[in-house]
Amino acid sequence: GAVVSQHPSWVICKSGTSVKIECRSLDFQATTMFWYRQFPKQSLMLMATSNEGSKATYEQGVEKDKFLINHASLTLSTLTVTSAHPEDSSFYICSARSRGGGVDTEAFFGQGTRLTVV
Amino acid sequence: KQEVTQIPAALSVPEGENLVLNCSFTDSAIYNLQWFRQDPGKGLTSLLLIQSSQREQTSGRLNASLDKSSGRSTLYIAASQPGDSATYLCAVVYQAGTALIFGKGTTLSVSS
Repeated sequence: GAVVSQHPSWVICKSGTSVKIECRSLDFQATTMFWYRQFPKQSLMLMATSNEGSKATYEQGVEKDKFLINHASLTLSTLTVTSAHPEDSSFYICSARSRGGGVDTEAFFGQGTRLTVV
Repeated sequence: KQEVTQIPAALSVPEGENLVLNCSFTDSAIYNLQWFRQDPGKGLTSLLLIQSSQREQTSGRLNASLDKSSGRSTLYIAASQPGDSATYLCAVVYQAGTALIFGKGTTLSVSS
């Protein structure tokens, strides 16, 4: 299957600092990328949807000024957690998908990033 | 509200057993459905994708079926192995271009 690379796989940062997470589709062009958040023993919750070259669409309750998403190219999307606080500690996962023959392809996921804010 | 439910939440079986994981969704007008595997602290591995026009998909020991009219999908795992131990997630896409909506998963433990 297609490969989505997410970096870093884990990060520890001090409260008040910002953290950037990268998500790259390595062998296909991702028309759409999604960012999810997962708390322990919970399922994935969608944070935002981003299409290349346009502003991200955020889910209700997700602060767009806190979670900055950039999708500048068809192979790269970034999530920046600004002024991180301990309650932002979580597992963040990106997903990428393309379209072929007018049909959405299956979604592929990155390895996830474990963020711990101390 | 569009929701995805997975039953059971956890399952423990001895090696070699055939087992079925269940997924139900509240709105039958889906675009596609995808099954994933997640190991602890890891990302998701795609197992099977079923388009709305399909009834089932097979990959090795895995078989996933889709019954849109009843809002159900099942993942059948044949001859389970300890390496199959993981959390299995069912996710639904309702419209092209939109995100997957996930169930909470079934955590499977296969003992040797």
